[in-house]
Amino acid sequence: AQSVTQPDARVTVSEGASLQLRCKYSYSGTPYLFWYVQYPRQGLQLLLKYYSGDPVVQGVNGFEAEFSKSNSSFHLRKASVHWSDSAVYFCVLRYNAGAKLTFGGGTRLTVRP
Amino acid sequence: DTTVKQNPRYKLARVGKPVNLICSQTMNHDTMYWYQKKPNQAPKLLLFYYDKILNREADTFEKFQSSRPNNSFCSLYIGSAGLEYSAMYLCASSSANSNERLFFGHGTKLSVL
Repeated sequence: AQSVTQPDARVTVSEGASLQLRCKYSYSGTPYLFWYVQYPRQGLQLLLKYYSGDPVVQGVNGFEAEFSKSNSSFHLRKASVHWSDSAVYFCVLRYNAGAKLTFGGGTRLTVRP
Repeated sequence: DTTVKQNPRYKLARVGKPVNLICSQTMNHDTMYWYQKKPNQAPKLLLFYYDKILNREADTFEKFQSSRPNNSFCSLYIGSAGLEYSAMYLCASSSANSNERLFFGHGTKLSVL
């Protein structure tokens, strides 16, 4: 069975600091991985996605993620966070011929001004 | 237009009363999904339509109904609301035969009193 684990439920960093949000997945097939973000009072928005090729993928607002097959990970990074990055971030695995998503539990990021 | 629209944004319901939530998209996506999200939890897939075929998750099979009268619209129906149904309900759509992402609506926040 497939699963996605985000080990850090809450992360707090200061504005301007670097960020890494961790994501581990378990899936026997080819993973299609996404990071979605949910800002307060808004719907889920796509940050970036990985299907194949270069393991480092670039997303919106300066976010990037690195896929590691050997570690079964897809960690999200940002070099310098802004207070507006405060939100809940979900790591997501797409499976079953593309029809279904498995969400990680989410990481609530708080950026201190 | 790459948006998924959900109505209403907020819904108040009484215990034991029916609830009907509406979702629409104009991207000609063949697949539409309904997720339930409770605070501090990951979104949980309730059901999805691939074209006219309804797929319901095993643990929510009897609690939720849905209809899709045409490609653009999909509803979620609760026959008798209970307190445990209070949650955010997220509609999403995608093209199942590609590896593209899901597009999410803003959600409908249902409060059952």
